[in-house]
Amino acid sequence: GAVVSQHPSRVICKSGTSVKIECRSLDFQATTMFWYRQFPKQSLMLMATSNEGSKATYEQGVEKDKFLINHASLTLSTLTVTSAHPEDSSFYICSAGGQRSSYEQYFGPGTRLTVT
Amino acid sequence: SQQGEEDPQALSIQEGENATMNCSYKTSINNLQWYRQNSGRGLVHLILIRSNEREKHSGRLRVTLDTSKKSSSLLITASRAADTASYFCATDAGGAQKLVFGQGTRLTINP
Repeated sequence: GAVVSQHPSRVICKSGTSVKIECRSLDFQATTMFWYRQFPKQSLMLMATSNEGSKATYEQGVEKDKFLINHASLTLSTLTVTSAHPEDSSFYICSAGGQRSSYEQYFGPGTRLTVT
Repeated sequence: SQQGEEDPQALSIQEGENATMNCSYKTSINNLQWYRQNSGRGLVHLILIRSNEREKHSGRLRVTLDTSKKSSSLLITASRAADTASYFCATDAGGAQKLVFGQGTRLTINP
């Protein structure tokens, strides 16, 4: 159980375009989802916390107008990278928590974004 | 930054040997978790240890926690090639269910 999926797994887009990444909890309802960014050979950095039915909470230094997060249901959160630039190229990972344990998070497989 | 540190950053050992990775953190915690990440993939939860626990086992994994030193270790015994991955510790130091990750250890098991 506790499966989280992400779509797409890989995406290549041109500079200036927007890209939407979906994160779904498949077998449980996630009141809270988290979005992370990971650069090569580095750790995960939390970008924002997404709560169902309310606005996301962004970490310091993350532009909320650039990284739009929507958590419209208990099983789906989306991250839209608007007007993407090459420096946005990264591995984006979501996680879901809040149902089975208040501490453990269940991670999606990640989305590799390449902006050309 | 609240981010913890892990050492070593990279570790390469022979199959069958034991691998030990260490994690240090900066603030008080309620629990500490260890995750594994295969290259280009998401994270897999390995084990959670609470602040009132000193040691925990799960299969070939042994985790220790020393809250006085703000450090934890992950021991993988009898390593296998399939254990090759990056290992991250994470604490709840971020509050509100947020996790703060260490910088990770890249473990390579040589057959």
